[in-house]
Amino acid sequence: GAVVSQHPSWVICKSGTSVKIECRSLDFQATTMFWYRQFPKQSLMLMATSNEGSKATYEQGVEKDKFLINHASLTLSTLTVTSAHPEDSSFYICSARDPGGTGQNIQYFGAGTRLSVL
Amino acid sequence: AQSVTQPDIHITVSEGASLELRCNYSYGATPYLFWYVQSPGQGLQLLLKYFSGDTLVQGIKGFEAEFKRSQSSFNLRKPSVHWSDAAEYFCAVDSPNYGGATNKLIFGTGTLLAVQP
Repeated sequence: GAVVSQHPSWVICKSGTSVKIECRSLDFQATTMFWYRQFPKQSLMLMATSNEGSKATYEQGVEKDKFLINHASLTLSTLTVTSAHPEDSSFYICSARDPGGTGQNIQYFGAGTRLSVL
Repeated sequence: AQSVTQPDIHITVSEGASLELRCNYSYGATPYLFWYVQSPGQGLQLLLKYFSGDTLVQGIKGFEAEFKRSQSSFNLRKPSVHWSDAAEYFCAVDSPNYGGATNKLIFGTGTLLAVQP
């Protein structure tokens, strides 16, 4: 299956600093990537849809100025948590949609990034 | 609006026993259906999917799922569970991609599977 790489897997930062998380599709081109946030023992919450070459679409309640998304190429999307605070500590997971030969889209997920803000 | 319900938050089975994880969805037409598995601290791995055709789909790791339109269900099954199957399982629904529209996966709340020796 398709492979999505997410980096870093774990990051600790001080309150007020910014953190960038990368999501790469390794063996396919992804015009659309997604960013999720997962709280302990809960399901995934979609934060935003990242479209190559255009602005991301944020879900209701997600601060676009805090969670900056850039999808500059067909294989890379980045999520930057700006001025991070302890309440931003969470598990962030990206996915990339593989269009596939038949147009049947499947999302493949990265391994996630554990963010801890001190 | 689409929704996905996984009624069982936590299930414990003995190794070697059979397993069935329930999933019900709410959608006006036949959606795309998925089961993902997540090991602790990891991302999600696709187990299997249903788009159309045969309602019994086979996936990786010996899992299968059956789409039942009349019950709006897509339950996941495995005849004999292994200790390595202990993980969290998520059912998800997506709508068919008409006209290139960007669609979103809707996830259930997950079922945590524990396997007893």
